[in-house]
Amino acid sequence: GENVEQHPSTLSVQEGDSAVIKCTYSDSASNYFPWYKQELGKRPQLIIDIRSNVGEKKDQRIAVTLNKTAKHFSLHITETQPEDSAVYFCAASNRNYGQNFVFGPGTRLSVLP
Amino acid sequence: DGGITQSPKYLFRKEGQNVTLSCEQNLNHDAMYWYRQDPGQGLRLIYYSQIVNDFQKGDIAEGYSVSREKKESFPLTVTSAQKNPTAFYLCASEIFGHTEAFFGQGTRLTVV
Repeated sequence: GENVEQHPSTLSVQEGDSAVIKCTYSDSASNYFPWYKQELGKRPQLIIDIRSNVGEKKDQRIAVTLNKTAKHFSLHITETQPEDSAVYFCAASNRNYGQNFVFGPGTRLSVLP
Repeated sequence: DGGITQSPKYLFRKEGQNVTLSCEQNLNHDAMYWYRQDPGQGLRLIYYSQIVNDFQKGDIAEGYSVSREKKESFPLTVTSAQKNPTAFYLCASEIFGHTEAFFGQGTRLTVV
């Protein structure tokens, strides 16, 4: 089955700097890779996702890159702000077969003012 | 107001008791999921249901039970057989096989 690893487990950056979180997956059949943000005490919410037929996707300050050959994908946040502080989860799934999501262990991002 | 609702937000259980966590959605989603969240371990799948009256065990189903009698509802019972039930429990739903999963706000269960 699928296994997703995520690094680092904690990340502190100064406000305005960039943050990068990396995930690796094991199942080459996975074709959908979402990123969820979970603020303290709140529900996880989808912030960006990428399908396997795309190498990069960007939405304002957030971008995700995918390397299918190496089986890893990364979340990039530029110009970080204090409200970016949260736990970020990556996940992988084969949506063609309705495979359940497998989540990474999460990264706690702290943006220091 | 459409969405997925979990109740209660906080729940305390005495050892040896069963407790039931509620999850309701009005998104007309086929699939519903229960996850357990522990610090540093991400989201682990307990049970899932892709259709009414059918559900499957996830990775950590021991000590838990579910039912799916209605499309809108997927309650989770934490039984006395679950040896370490203190955790944050998240329910999610989706249109099966599509993309975004929607999460409830979670229930924090504490054994006292």
